[in-house]
Amino acid sequence: DAGVIQSPRHEVTEMGQEVTLRCKPISGHNSLFWYRQTMMRGLELLIYFNNNVPIDDSGMPEDRFSAKMPNASFSTLKIQPSEPRDSAVYFCASSAEAGQETQYFGPGTRLLVL
Amino acid sequence: AQSVTQPDIHITVSEGASLELRCNYSYGATPYLFWYVQSPGQGLQLLLKYFSGDTLVQGIKGFEAEFKRSQSSFNLRKPSVHWSDAAEYFCAVAPGGGADGLTFGKGTHLIIQP
Repeated sequence: DAGVIQSPRHEVTEMGQEVTLRCKPISGHNSLFWYRQTMMRGLELLIYFNNNVPIDDSGMPEDRFSAKMPNASFSTLKIQPSEPRDSAVYFCASSAEAGQETQYFGPGTRLLVL
Repeated sequence: AQSVTQPDIHITVSEGASLELRCNYSYGATPYLFWYVQSPGQGLQLLLKYFSGDTLVQGIKGFEAEFKRSQSSFNLRKPSVHWSDAAEYFCAVAPGGGADGLTFGKGTHLIIQP
């Protein structure tokens, strides 16, 4: 398996622009997670889905952030409008359903908002 | 809510020496515990995990960790480090295994001296 795939790997944009990050989980995995990594706050869970349904979005910073999972093989994280403080590395991870399952991480998207 | 503390931000170890990275967690019940490693510019790779059973867990790359309920700790150890072990190490906790989001510690940066 190719593992968790994220695109783009790097994104540079200007403040106010819309940013869309994409994730393809490992085939057969039913849970998908979005994390954000910054120097100040470390790794934080933003939202996770189970069977394409959002389960916990309490980590989403504010209304500018939204995430969707239209099918089992694709998810997006959108920031609109983007701000410089959104600059971070965004990771997607997936795991098989039920407990005792490892989360496998993608390589991350490094976002820089100017 | 659960939390994870990694008290050491940086650790420097000579190549060939032993290593112990500390991790303390706060959670009401027995959590699921993980250690991940992140090389520069890379995603996170699972080293090992503890769900139940034997409190000494073996992982990849010669790492092991011991769960101590009385101390709320899950320290990572390696008897002899290699230069390739230089990386960022994250301890994480999840209440429901991989099906729930992970709460990460702030990480420990490991430096290997020749």
